[in-house]
Amino acid sequence: AQSVTQLDSQVPVFEEAPVELRCNYSSSVSVYLFWYVQYPNQGLQLLLKYLSGSTLVKGINGFEAEFNKSQTSFHLRKPSVHISDTAEYFCAVRGTDNTDKLIFGTGTRLQVFP
Amino acid sequence: KAGVTQTPRYLIKTRGQQVTLSCSPISGHRSVSWYQQTPGQGLQFLFEYFSETQRNKGNFPGRFSGRQFSNSRSEMNVSTLELGDSALYLCASSSQSTNEKLFFGSGTQLSVL
Repeated sequence: AQSVTQLDSQVPVFEEAPVELRCNYSSSVSVYLFWYVQYPNQGLQLLLKYLSGSTLVKGINGFEAEFNKSQTSFHLRKPSVHISDTAEYFCAVRGTDNTDKLIFGTGTRLQVFP
Repeated sequence: KAGVTQTPRYLIKTRGQQVTLSCSPISGHRSVSWYQQTPGQGLQFLFEYFSETQRNKGNFPGRFSGRQFSNSRSEMNVSTLELGDSALYLCASSSQSTNEKLFFGSGTQLSVL
């Protein structure tokens, strides 16, 4: 079974500052890793995903994440945030077997201030 | 292509009642997953259906059940509602394979009074 830990429930940051949202996972098998974003009153949408290959993954809206197998981490970063990035961010993991389920972390609320 | 559609958008029920939520996936998608979202708990996996068969199940009591129809539409039922069932219920669809991204609906906000 897999699990995901997002240690930071809230991250406040000023506009144009860099940000890192932390995600650690636990799994006894190979995994796929995802970051989803949820804007107010909306469902979730995919930011980026790691399946294999390069450990640095680039997603939409200028976000990127780095897969670190030794530290079992998949932290999300953006060099300069905008007000519009204010949202809830969820890290998720699933095993590579076709029947595995997608497990989400508890989410990190990113609040960007002007 | 239309997105994932969930109905109703809002629902208010009282304890002890039952409720049925509906989800229409993106056309061509055969997998439908259901999640319960509550503040502080994030998204908790309820179950996943693929081609009318339950492929995965989370750790929820038997009061929570679901089904999928031949057109891939899915319903989720909660019987004997409890106050703690108040949550946003999200449905997501995907085409088939594990590495396909999930497409989420906007959810059904259930309030149990």
